[in-house]
Amino acid sequence: QSVLTQPPSVSAAPGQKVTISCSGSSSNIENNYVSWYQLLPGTAPKLLIYENNKRPSGIPDRFSGSKSGTSATLGITGLQTGDEADYYCVTWDSSLSAGRVFGGGTKLTVL
Amino acid sequence: EVQLVESGGVLVQPGGSLRLSCAASGFTFSNYAMNWVRQAPGKGLEWVSTISDSGGGTFYADSVKGRFTISRDNSKNTLYLRMNSLSADDTAVYYCAKSGANCYNGWGQGTLVTVSS
Repeated sequence: QSVLTQPPSVSAAPGQKVTISCSGSSSNIENNYVSWYQLLPGTAPKLLIYENNKRPSGIPDRFSGSKSGTSATLGITGLQTGDEADYYCVTWDSSLSAGRVFGGGTKLTVL
Repeated sequence: EVQLVESGGVLVQPGGSLRLSCAASGFTFSNYAMNWVRQAPGKGLEWVSTISDSGGGTFYADSVKGRFTISRDNSKNTLYLRMNSLSADDTAVYYCAKSGANCYNGWGQGTLVTVSS
């Protein structure tokens, strides 16, 4: 059972927009930065969003992040078949001894 | 460009030990904290351990505390994870990850550890 709750799966058609939610609590999301990662089978995880809404260089602006209270959201517009992957949110949790906590992951299917 | 290459993953028997390595290049290794993150088959990502840039601070998930030891050799740009008393629950792909601004901004491809008799 993950500390951060993500929907197990989301789906949308190519060209459409999708959002992936990440729900936590005051000990994690509400008071800490959230980052998002894309995991494609057989490849290294990729950082998509850091500090809630910042994109690393090379990440297209189709990817966006936001946070409000105890929840964070990853948005992807102009969906492409290459976006089909697992997505994870990550943040700190002050109730734990150390380290970051991960969401359970969301499988994005581009229909 | 950040490059992280893990190695050392193999099939090991329950109760056995293993040492993973992560060779880093493309950045000043000694300036950054480093991490191990794992993904068990069919499961999500799980933080395992973190080591500070100097190696003076180490942190572990409760699931591995007392069994795993993270270390680094800044002269060799290499991160390690010593794993003892392995069980089937430790079967996973182990990723090496570089710490960034409140994130992990560099990852390796992972190395597979299988614990089975």
